[in-house]
Amino acid sequence: DTGVSQDPRHKITKRGQNVTFRCDPISEHNRLYWYRQTLGQGPEFLTYFQNEAQLEKSRLLSDRFSAERPKGSFSTLEIQRTEQGDSAMYLCASSLASREETQYFGPGTRLLVL
Amino acid sequence: QKEVEQDPGPLSVPEGAIVSLNCTYSNSAFQYFMWYRQYSRKGPELLMYTYSSGNKEDGRFTAQVDKSSKYISLFIRDSQPSDSATYLCAVLNQAGTALIFGKGTTLSVSS
Repeated sequence: DTGVSQDPRHKITKRGQNVTFRCDPISEHNRLYWYRQTLGQGPEFLTYFQNEAQLEKSRLLSDRFSAERPKGSFSTLEIQRTEQGDSAMYLCASSLASREETQYFGPGTRLLVL
Repeated sequence: QKEVEQDPGPLSVPEGAIVSLNCTYSNSAFQYFMWYRQYSRKGPELLMYTYSSGNKEDGRFTAQVDKSSKYISLFIRDSQPSDSATYLCAVLNQAGTALIFGKGTTLSVSS
């Protein structure tokens, strides 16, 4: 079991640029979640997938954000026209559909928008 | 009122002390309660979860839920410097999809 992996671990970009993050879940997990964490706060839910279907999106997920999980394995999170307020740690987690209470997190991608 | 409230601390204790970390929550319908540990600049690590009320023990860690008062606790016995981290409490939302986290409590254990 290799755990949840995320790439890149750090990203610095200029305001207005697009960025894309990747998450590889634990291999047998069919649910994949994206959260965002800002300094001094707990993670906040953004969206989740069951297999390739995106089943829920938070109101935090503005129309500049899009997430995909095309083959039900890895997922990407894209932010278009980044803003300084997007600076945060973006965390991916995975679980079995029958075990939503045990979500395992990856190391996160730390985004800094200048 | 936030759904999960947690005192951010910081909390500083000497090595060997018993640590008590606490959260409150607002919705009596929540059934699953989790504790995560997060080291600086790392992702959260699941320590343990509890279903409904009661206690659960894992080594030096004990999680306790009191649904009557909507209170969640984590006790750490014989604390070690390696326990220094931010501890996040979380609940599973009613739909059984997303975790709702507290702000986290920063713990420092000095040797």
